[in-house]
Amino acid sequence: EDKVVQSPLSLVVHEGDTVTLNCSYEVTNFRSLLWYKQEKKAPTFLFMLTSSGIEKKSGRLSSILDKKELFSILNITATQTGDSAIYLCAVGEVYFYYGGSQGNLIFGKGTKLSVKP
Amino acid sequence: DGGITQSPKYLFRKEGQNVTLSCEQNLNHDAMYWYRQDPGQGLRLIYYSQIVNDFQKGDIAEGYSVSREKKESFPLTVTSAQKNPTAFYLCASSPDSSSYEQYFGPGTRLTVT
Repeated sequence: EDKVVQSPLSLVVHEGDTVTLNCSYEVTNFRSLLWYKQEKKAPTFLFMLTSSGIEKKSGRLSSILDKKELFSILNITATQTGDSAIYLCAVGEVYFYYGGSQGNLIFGKGTKLSVKP
Repeated sequence: DGGITQSPKYLFRKEGQNVTLSCEQNLNHDAMYWYRQDPGQGLRLIYYSQIVNDFQKGDIAEGYSVSREKKESFPLTVTSAQKNPTAFYLCASSPDSSSYEQYFGPGTRLTVT
């Protein structure tokens, strides 16, 4: 059975700390791995990773994928209270059928990050 | 502004009633999705649609129904057959079915008593 596992499920840190969130996966037809940030409502897109070893960076956030070991990490440096959210990892998988294909996302349960002032 | 809208934000229903959640997008995306989110469960796929007049069941389709009569609209009906309908429902869209970057609406929180 395909699955995406995130750890830890919840984390409490203080402002200024650096955190690492983990996502491991077992998916049959892997195509991509995505990270989303969910504060109160809609998840917002952070990164999409398709190649191993290439770090993607956006401000204090960065992420890297290891397709050999089947995991990704999301790093947040110098955390701020505004980083408090649920971080979702999702793996893009393709299904093949006669005449076409369909890409779907399989989500992990998320990591709830709380940053205390 | 381009985006995905869901309405209403909060919905309360009595057990045994069907209820329809709205999802509209003006991004000109072909593919649309419905997810359910429960505490500690992550997002689970209910239904998805690659193109107008076509839709497929996801992992937890039982007790739900959808339609895709227009490209912009993908309403979800939660029927009385759904055993645990209270949840947060998220609609998403992507440019096409091979694109993995999905854009999410603000969600509808449904409470059934």
